[in-house]
Amino acid sequence: DTGVSQDPRHKITKRGQNVTFRCDPISEHNRLYWYRQTLGQGPEFLTYFQNEAQLEKSRLLSDRFSAERPKGSFSTLEIQRTEQGDSAMYLCASSGSFRLPTNEKLFFGSGTQLSVL
Amino acid sequence: AQSVSQHNHHVILSEAASLELGCNYSYGGTVNLFWYVQYPGQHLQLLLKYFSGDPLVKGIKGFEAEFIKSKFSFNLRKPSVQWSDTAEYFCAVNPYSGTYKYIFGTGTRLKVLA
Repeated sequence: DTGVSQDPRHKITKRGQNVTFRCDPISEHNRLYWYRQTLGQGPEFLTYFQNEAQLEKSRLLSDRFSAERPKGSFSTLEIQRTEQGDSAMYLCASSGSFRLPTNEKLFFGSGTQLSVL
Repeated sequence: AQSVSQHNHHVILSEAASLELGCNYSYGGTVNLFWYVQYPGQHLQLLLKYFSGDPLVKGIKGFEAEFIKSKFSFNLRKPSVQWSDTAEYFCAVNPYSGTYKYIFGTGTRLKVLA
């Protein structure tokens, strides 16, 4: 499968613990996005990377959230000191190919469902 | 702040009925516009997109959308829905201003009765 993959699919943690999620984008894509989605809401933008550079981060994003894309390939999203309000589906998406520059669209992964108890 | 509004949160239709889902955005500059769909148990996928040119765009599965710049709208339509169109539909905007950020609406949950 050459789509966007996310790991784990589900994560249950206790309040105050740290969690880390991984996203592997489509290999030729240079942009990678993180979104958060709760029930009844649309995907909420968290941050995006172009190659290894984090170009934009939501102003609503707490300092407890950090994302990296060290070599411009996979990315990790870490949440420190989790709170119950962090419970959500965390979506990763990728886009942008130098071979198909005009075919801009997001390809989404299946997401990581986080439950904070 | 940039935002996307979808006015219908839940829509229930019978098969063969016509569908129109509203989408309005608040951004004064040039935008790229998208509709994404999420079928039950599946990930989000592109339905159609508008970048420039003909404001009436056609997507997969018989869907189309019309961009009306003066109304900041990009409404989704389908003349005759099928049971398999049951899904959640999201409108998204990419402000064409040097950013590749996509802003999504809250979504419309469509249920088509057989």
